[in-house]
Amino acid sequence: SQQGEEDPQALSIQEGENATMNCSYKTSINNLQWYRQNSGRGLVHLILIRSNEREKHSGRLRVTLDTSKKSSSLLITASRAADTASYFCAFTGGGNKLTFGTGTQLKVEL
Amino acid sequence: DTAVSQTPKYLVTQMGNDKSIKCEQNLGHDTMYWYKQDSKKFLKIMFSYNNKELIINETVPNRFSPKSPDKAHLNLHINSLELGDSAVYFCASSQAGGFQPQHFGDGTRLSIL
Repeated sequence: SQQGEEDPQALSIQEGENATMNCSYKTSINNLQWYRQNSGRGLVHLILIRSNEREKHSGRLRVTLDTSKKSSSLLITASRAADTASYFCAFTGGGNKLTFGTGTQLKVEL
Repeated sequence: DTAVSQTPKYLVTQMGNDKSIKCEQNLGHDTMYWYKQDSKKFLKIMFSYNNKELIINETVPNRFSPKSPDKAHLNLHINSLELGDSAVYFCASSQAGGFQPQHFGDGTRLSIL
């Protein structure tokens, strides 16, 4: 399967802690994106990292990409209850076709 | 203002029926997509249109037929619904090009009885 694999499948942390999610893929990619999905809602784009970049920041989000290991990680710092959601990595090898990972369900408890 | 809107939000119907889901985007994007998300939250591309032209057509039963009357609309018609079609269907849009983020609607939850 060309689908991305994410781990952990589920993550439960306390508010204020950091959350790290990992994504692995098997193909060559042009870019890798991370999306958030709140329960009952559509996916929301968080951040995009190009294949020639190694790290990118956006607010409390930090994304790394290691193309030699075909893996990426998403770090959410100082998590909040509102960060509770499912997080998906997605990547393109070319063109517009996004292939999604299996997702990590994050629960941030008060 | 809703950027990508799809209707209906919920669709409950009998096996064998035909149904349609509508999608509209007001972002001025050139490309629109249909995705299927199953009960395990696995999200898979079904179709993509760029300026009303079909550019991605994954291995989807031909009971599924997308239609794009203009670049702001992409509808999905499903014939002879089967139990396995139960899922959440998402419409999305983006500017053309693989580096563009995609904007998703809130999904249509299809339940087949």
